[in-house]
Amino acid sequence: GQQVMQIPQYQHVQEGEDFTTYCNSSTTLSNIQWYKQRPGGHPVFLIQLVKSGEVKKQKRLTFQFGEAKKNSSLHITATQTTDVGTYFCAPGAGKSTFGDGTTLTVKP
Amino acid sequence: SAVISQKPSRDICQRGTSLTIQCQVDSQVTMMFWYRQQPGQSLTLIATANQGSEATYESGFVIDKFPISRPNLTFSTLTVSNMSPEDSSIYLCSVEDWVRVGRGADTQYFGPGTRLTVL
Repeated sequence: GQQVMQIPQYQHVQEGEDFTTYCNSSTTLSNIQWYKQRPGGHPVFLIQLVKSGEVKKQKRLTFQFGEAKKNSSLHITATQTTDVGTYFCAPGAGKSTFGDGTTLTVKP
Repeated sequence: SAVISQKPSRDICQRGTSLTIQCQVDSQVTMMFWYRQQPGQSLTLIATANQGSEATYESGFVIDKFPISRPNLTFSTLTVSNMSPEDSSIYLCSVEDWVRVGRGADTQYFGPGTRLTVL
């Protein structure tokens, strides 16, 4: 499957601060998906990006797909304690590749 | 979205034994996937299970160790055979559900997972 690199691996923020995780590929992706896994839970689908330069928002979450369709980002504005968990990106073409994930912790 | 259940939710097993994990979906799906997730790690695809055909295994996983059944479009099992402590992990099944977004794309829905500990 297509390989993706996700950074950072860990991010610890104070509640109210912003958070961004990046997903980078050396090859062009057909689409990319983002998942969130709460501690002790299973991955839950958040969103899929398909178009070059696409930007989608879900409340405080903003997802971007690069113009070259080789990178993507997830930005959370004003983090809350409910945002804690690990965020994974996954190329849509094939199911064998998930990023290593970024684990977010939020200090109240 | 699909609703997926897994049994058992957790188990503690002895070395050398086998455990069969069941995955039930509330709707008919073409493709089902089995993943392993070790603590603090990402998801690793074990195999893809299509109804009516042999499962397709990823590199590093073999049928003798992880036999899979897919008897119908709503059910699959994964067996972890001749277990060792290295098999301790969370095993997740997932299904693909087509969502029409833009040009169309695929998303996955995951079961709650089976937490396996091998002593």
